[in-house]
Amino acid sequence: QKEVEQNSGPLSVPEGAIASLNCTYSDRGSQSFFWYRQYSGKSPELIMSIYSNGDKEDGRFTAQLNKASQYVSLLIRDSQPSDSATYLCAVNPFSSGSARQLTFGSGTQLTVLP
Amino acid sequence: DTEVTQTPKHLVMGMTNKKSLKCEQHMGHRAMYWYKQKAKKPPELMFVYSYEKLSINESVPSRFSPECPNSSLLNLHLHALQPEDSALYLCASSQGRGRSRNTEAFFGQGTRLTVV
Repeated sequence: QKEVEQNSGPLSVPEGAIASLNCTYSDRGSQSFFWYRQYSGKSPELIMSIYSNGDKEDGRFTAQLNKASQYVSLLIRDSQPSDSATYLCAVNPFSSGSARQLTFGSGTQLTVLP
Repeated sequence: DTEVTQTPKHLVMGMTNKKSLKCEQHMGHRAMYWYKQKAKKPPELMFVYSYEKLSINESVPSRFSPECPNSSLLNLHLHALQPEDSALYLCASSQGRGRSRNTEAFFGQGTRLTVV
């Protein structure tokens, strides 16, 4: 059974701080990794995808991947109250083709306090 | 444009009703998905269509019937649902097979379904 584990939280950080969200996965052969943001009552929104070891930065978001440790993280710099949401980690065994085997973690609820 | 459009946004139906959920994408994606999401849980995969053919049915009850009329459209027909089927139903699409480098899946805004 392929598993993706996340701390369910809730995680609270003060406005302006760095929020760090972590995810581990069990399938060592996994190839593609995603972070989705989901506001309460809304649908998941893809915010980061990463395929290679190392860091990938996009604005205030940085995704970090370490395949040897089977670990992927999301850093949110200068956190804003509007970042308060549930963040879903998702993992796919493939790097191309269908996303049919996308496995989601249970999500981490982040609250950014003004 | 990474837009997947779902209609309706909200649906209330009785247990004897028949209704349909609709999903449309114009990104040229060849894989489309239906997910079900209960409160405080991650999305659960229900069906996968790849190149308009059903490729995965995750043991979903027959009261849910998917249909893919063409590469841009995906329907989910609902009949004789139970109250426990109340959930957020999400459509998603991705590029599908081929030499595409990524497997990014994009979700629609969802249909909030309540069965009474």
